[in-house]
Amino acid sequence: EAQVTQNPRYLITVTGKKLTVTCSQNMNHEYMSWYRQDPGLGLRQIYYSMNVEVTDKGDVPEGYKVSRKEKRNFPLILESPSPNQTSLYFCASSLWGTGGDTEAFFGQGTRLTVV
Amino acid sequence: AQSVTQLGSHVSVSEGALVLLRCNYSSSVPPYLFWYVQYPNQGLQLLLKYTTGATLVKGINGFEAEFKKSETSFHLTKPSAHMSDAAEYFCAVMTGANNLFFGTGTRLTVIP
Repeated sequence: EAQVTQNPRYLITVTGKKLTVTCSQNMNHEYMSWYRQDPGLGLRQIYYSMNVEVTDKGDVPEGYKVSRKEKRNFPLILESPSPNQTSLYFCASSLWGTGGDTEAFFGQGTRLTVV
Repeated sequence: AQSVTQLGSHVSVSEGALVLLRCNYSSSVPPYLFWYVQYPNQGLQLLLKYTTGATLVKGINGFEAEFKKSETSFHLTKPSAHMSDAAEYFCAVMTGANNLFFGTGTRLTVIP
């Protein structure tokens, strides 16, 4: 079954404690991205990757890091989380370079609370 | 630059009534347009998309949308609302680089 898997689904952490949210896809997609969803703001892109070792900033990259060492995995790293990073996070993947003739597949989301 | 505006953060309709969710976009290039649905505690699911060709696009669950270039709109409609349609709906535009830009979402409530 084609899927994007995020872990954990729920996470409560304290300010400043480094954390990683994992994302894995089994569709051999080149393109992966991270979004955060906040009430009234919709989804905003944090980082994206067009292939292994190729990453770039989205609209709201401050306070986040990513890496793409393998095609299937695209972890999101918060080196020093702060309360304003409390949000619902989504990972997505899709084929690259097909323009609109593609579909982005989304993970189930990770609800992060930073206290 | 690309952007998406969804008019109405909350829309309520009676069961069996017409659903109309509005989306306007701006894009410097011919856009690829999408509607996604998010059910409670779930990820986003593609409803339908417009790339090229026919401007009236049919999606899953009886939804459809019409691309109107002159109005820069891509409104989502369904003739008859069902209770199971209650969800949040997102309009999105894609750039050539695969990046999706989302609207702020519209929460649809269906009243029995």
